[in-house]
Amino acid sequence: DAGVIQSPRHEVTEMGQEVTLRCKPISGHDYLFWYRQTMMRGLELLIYFNNNVPIDDSGMPEDRFSAKMPNASFSTLKIQPSEPRDSAVYFCASSSSGYGANVLTFGAGSRLTVL
Amino acid sequence: ILNVEQSPQSLHVQEGDSTNFTCSFPSSNFYALHWYRWETAKSPEALFVMTLNGDEKKKGRISATLNTKEGYSYLYIKGSQPEDSATYLCASPEGSSNTGKLIFGQGTTLQVKP
Repeated sequence: DAGVIQSPRHEVTEMGQEVTLRCKPISGHDYLFWYRQTMMRGLELLIYFNNNVPIDDSGMPEDRFSAKMPNASFSTLKIQPSEPRDSAVYFCASSSSGYGANVLTFGAGSRLTVL
Repeated sequence: ILNVEQSPQSLHVQEGDSTNFTCSFPSSNFYALHWYRWETAKSPEALFVMTLNGDEKKKGRISATLNTKEGYSYLYIKGSQPEDSATYLCASPEGSSNTGKLIFGQGTTLQVKP
């Protein structure tokens, strides 16, 4: 398996533009997580899915952020409109179960810069 | 909200030194404690998962211990090498045992000087 695949790796955009980040989890992993890494807040969970259904989106900062998982092999995180404070590295991770001792496998991350 | 804390925030050591750092977490409703290693420009990778009080795990020169009663875990690196330079993250699941919702600490960034 190629692991968790994220795209794009880098995105530079201007304030107000729509940003879409994509993730392909490991085949057979039922859980998918979106995390955001910033200097101030560290690695924070935005939302996670189980079997394509959003379970907890309490970490999504505001209505400008939305996430979907239309099927087991694809998820998107969208920011519209983007703002400079959204600049961060966004990680997608997947896990084979929701069992708390199951490790997460992370993608390489998408570095977003909003000018 | 689960609060996972790590110390120190950063650490600089010489090659060959042994070092350790701490992860603290609420001891009530404990289920599991994860350690991840995160190298610059790469993604976090799992090192250990521990669930039982007194657990000790080892991978090469890196080992970890767990004390669930007092709510802490130590990560030890014996004879640090420059390739050990990374940020080490600990995490614990929030809520019930069936949630994969891992809450991460801020990490300890280790720099090993040759």
